[in-house]
Amino acid sequence: GENVEQHPSTLSVQEGDSAVIKCTYSDSASNYFPWYKQELGKGPQLIIDIRSNVGEKKDQRIAVTLNKTAKHFSLHITETQPEDSAVYFCAAKGSQGNLIFGKGTKLSVKP
Amino acid sequence: EAGVAQSPRYKIIEKRQSVAFWCNPISGHATLYWYQQILGQGPKLLIQFQNNGVVDDSQLPKDRFSAERLKGVDSTLKIQPAKLEDSAVYLCASRILRGGPIYNEQFFGPGTRLTVL
Repeated sequence: GENVEQHPSTLSVQEGDSAVIKCTYSDSASNYFPWYKQELGKGPQLIIDIRSNVGEKKDQRIAVTLNKTAKHFSLHITETQPEDSAVYFCAAKGSQGNLIFGKGTKLSVKP
Repeated sequence: EAGVAQSPRYKIIEKRQSVAFWCNPISGHATLYWYQQILGQGPKLLIQFQNNGVVDDSQLPKDRFSAERLKGVDSTLKIQPAKLEDSAVYLCASRILRGGPIYNEQFFGPGTRLTVL
C-alpha cells in the first residue's frame, strides 16, 4: 500500500543552526507533498507544500525540495528559533485525495 | 475565518463504553476527513466525506466505528464499543472542493483526545 517514511524521528539543534528532515514515498502517482507542524495539544498546521511539477519551494526560513525520480522530499529550516520546536510531519497525497503521513520528527531547538 | 471546530476536547471512558465526537468544518468546505493519531505517530485516515457521501472508508473499523455527515456540513464519529487500543487523538480536517491555490490544503481542528481505561 501507499507509504511515507520519515527520518529522523528526533532532531536536536542549537538556535541559529539549520534543520533538515527527509521523507520518502512509495506511490509514484503522488503529486502533492505538504509539511505540517504540530504543537502540543493542537492539530497539525500546514507550513509549506510542494507540487510534483516543482523541484523546490521557499518561504522565508523554510524550504522544501522534491526529487521525483528518487521519490524523496525534504524540509529545510534555516536560522532555527526556539519557537520552531514542535513535531513536524511530511505527507503525500494518496490516490483518493487523502494524505498519507509520515511518523513525525520531534524538533528541539535549544537556546 | 473560523477554523475547524471539534468537541469535546478530551474524553475518558471505560472499555466497552460508547463515545461520540463532533466536527464542524470550515464554511464552504465540501470535503471532510476523520483521522486517528496514536501517540508518537502521524495521523491515519479513517474516513473521507465529500458533501454527505463517503469517498473512502477503507481503513475504518466498521465493526465498532461509524461516521455520518447527514447534511453535508457537521459530522459525527462514533465508537461502540471502545477498546483500549482506541486511545488516541481524533482529528477532523476539511478541504475546499476545488478552485484556487489552496485546493489541496487540509485544515485541521484541534482534535479530541480519547483515553480508554
